[in-house]
Amino acid sequence: AQTVTQSQPEMSVQEAETVTLSCTYDTSESDYYLFWYKQPPSRQMILVIRQEAYKQQNATENRFSVNFQKAAKSFSLKISDSQLGDAAMYFCAYRSASRRGGAQKLVFGQGTRLTINP
Amino acid sequence: DVKVTQSSRYLVKRTGEKVFLECVQDMDHENMFWYRQDPGLGLRLIYFSYDVKMKEKGDIPEGYSVSREKKERFSLILESASTNQTSMYLCASSLGGTVYEQYFGPGTRLTVT
Repeated sequence: AQTVTQSQPEMSVQEAETVTLSCTYDTSESDYYLFWYKQPPSRQMILVIRQEAYKQQNATENRFSVNFQKAAKSFSLKISDSQLGDAAMYFCAYRSASRRGGAQKLVFGQGTRLTINP
Repeated sequence: DVKVTQSSRYLVKRTGEKVFLECVQDMDHENMFWYRQDPGLGLRLIYFSYDVKMKEKGDIPEGYSVSREKKERFSLILESASTNQTSMYLCASSLGGTVYEQYFGPGTRLTVT
């Protein structure tokens, strides 16, 4: 079974600075997807960024980028120029590329609560 | 925009009560999911449905059942609520296939006393 580990329960960063959230995962599969989701306080979970395992290039979405190290099974999220609106719980998640029904579930890490200091 | 709605944001029930949590999506998604979110544990899958009347157990199905009679609606049922089912419950939906992202509802915070 796949597992996802986020070893930083809480992180804080000064506004406008850069912060990196860590995520490691364990799988025997070679084809899969990795995600970072953001859950703002009392608001819905939204997708921040997605990485396909077969792509060597790291995904980027505006101020958000990932460092995907497939051999090391590491998938960190870098937030540049942090803004107050980035304060949230961030979840790393894994999904198999298998089309078998149950494989379409997301496997989540424990979450990292990010605080932005003004 | 995809919209996933859940019937209640907050719910308080007594031990032994039957509890229904409703989820509705408006984008004709094949897949629907129920997750449970607990501090320090992240989200864990309770049940998954990939079509009307079709369901699969997730990682923690004990004490729960589900119903999907219509494509847009997925219900989570706690047959006899217990205090250890106090948690945040999140519904999600997606198109079929693993490449598509899951869209989440706002969550229902259930307290069982």
